Amino acid sequence: TAGITQAPTSQILAAGRSMTLRCTQDMRHNAMYWYRQDLGLGLRLIHYSNTAGTTGKGEVPDGYSVSRANTDDFPLTLASAVPSQTSVYFCASSDTGGGFAFFGQGTRLTVV
Amino acid sequence: GENVEQHPSTLSVQEGDSAVIKCTYSDSASNYFPWYKQELGKGPQLIIDIRSNVGEKKDQRIAVTLNKTAKHFSLHITETQPEDSAVYFCAASVMNTGFQKLVFGTGTRLLVSP
Repeated sequence: TAGITQAPTSQILAAGRSMTLRCTQDMRHNAMYWYRQDLGLGLRLIHYSNTAGTTGKGEVPDGYSVSRANTDDFPLTLASAVPSQTSVYFCASSDTGGGFAFFGQGTRLTVV
Repeated sequence: GENVEQHPSTLSVQEGDSAVIKCTYSDSASNYFPWYKQELGKGPQLIIDIRSNVGEKKDQRIAVTLNKTAKHFSLHITETQPEDSAVYFCAASVMNTGFQKLVFGTGTRLLVSP
């Protein structure tokens, strides 16, 4: 079982360009999440989805959008990247039985 | 909203010593407190969690304690080994039918020297 797969693993992006970070899980978890990790700030929630077809804003949603067309996929889109979005992005999922959140391996994004 | 503070930010111990990491939270509604270990270049991995109806939970060399009145919880690692070296994060959330909006602490870098 792969768990959660994120792509790409790393990317350098020019400021102003758009990009979609991909996240796929094979555990049939209903809930999915996107976090960003910055030194000294820990992990902060960007957006989440309780179930397919629904999304919600987390702590730091500005500049990001998500969609949840099906259970397995939860892409994160940066419409017009800015240098402050340089970070490591983690996708996670959890099931509705009260289980803990599984994390992917992360995408390291550098906006220049 | 919830705010989680974690201390210390770095912790150095000798192999075989114990390590303790402490966290406090602000939202009395929080009822789920997981601890994650993150190794270099990898995503966080759950190592232990505790729910608010339990005061202590143990799993081999790892234990977590929760004081709901004081709103703090701690991770205890005994007989530390070099492979315990990593960054540890505490988190808190209100568990709502499995959906978790985890709020994380800022992390503790643990270094275990042989």
